[in-house]
Amino acid sequence: GAVVSQHPSWVICKSGTSVKIECRSLDFQATTMFWYRQFPKQSLMLMATSNEGSKATYEQGVEKDKFLINHASLTLSTLTVTSAHPEDSSFYICSARATGGKAFFGQGTRLTVV
Amino acid sequence: AQSVAQPEDQVNVAEGNPLTVKCTYSVSGNPYLFWYVQYPNRGLQFLLKYITGDNLVKGSYGFEAEFNKSQTSFHLKKPSALVSDSALYFCAVRDDQAGTALIFGKGTTLSVSS
Repeated sequence: GAVVSQHPSWVICKSGTSVKIECRSLDFQATTMFWYRQFPKQSLMLMATSNEGSKATYEQGVEKDKFLINHASLTLSTLTVTSAHPEDSSFYICSARATGGKAFFGQGTRLTVV
Repeated sequence: AQSVAQPEDQVNVAEGNPLTVKCTYSVSGNPYLFWYVQYPNRGLQFLLKYITGDNLVKGSYGFEAEFNKSQTSFHLKKPSALVSDSALYFCAVRDDQAGTALIFGKGTTLSVSS
């Protein structure tokens, strides 16, 4: 089946620094990618939707200047958490989908900001 | 290791009939269980969750799910299907240990005919 690779699987960074998370579709062209954040003991929250070559559409309450999303190619989207703070510590999960196809999920990235 | 299975790729029902979308899971600890729906060209939307308490969970759009510990199942149900319920449904699970990510099933396409 289709594979979505998310990298890194975990990262620890210092408060105030920026962290980039990559989401790659390995065997299909992902025209749409979704970024989710998982809060402890809670369900997933959709952060933004990005279509290749277009600006991402952010959900209400998500700071677009803090969570920079780039979807420059059909196989790669990146999420950059800028000026990270401890409250940004979470699991971030990407999902990729070809036009009209099913969505496949990355394995998630655990971000810890110290 | 955590896992979740959705044995059916597609479920077809007639409008007005009851629907069931199946999900079974495996976790090492106590399960947190979720159902999400994805409409065409949209990101995931949360439907319902089971954390603890009553085994019958009611969620959005008239959906409900029953947690069955002995059968390790969390099937999604609705008494009367609507054509607008046609979408892709994902079951997800994580155990109750801190720091674990959601594991999603492969998804089941629900098609409701008029």
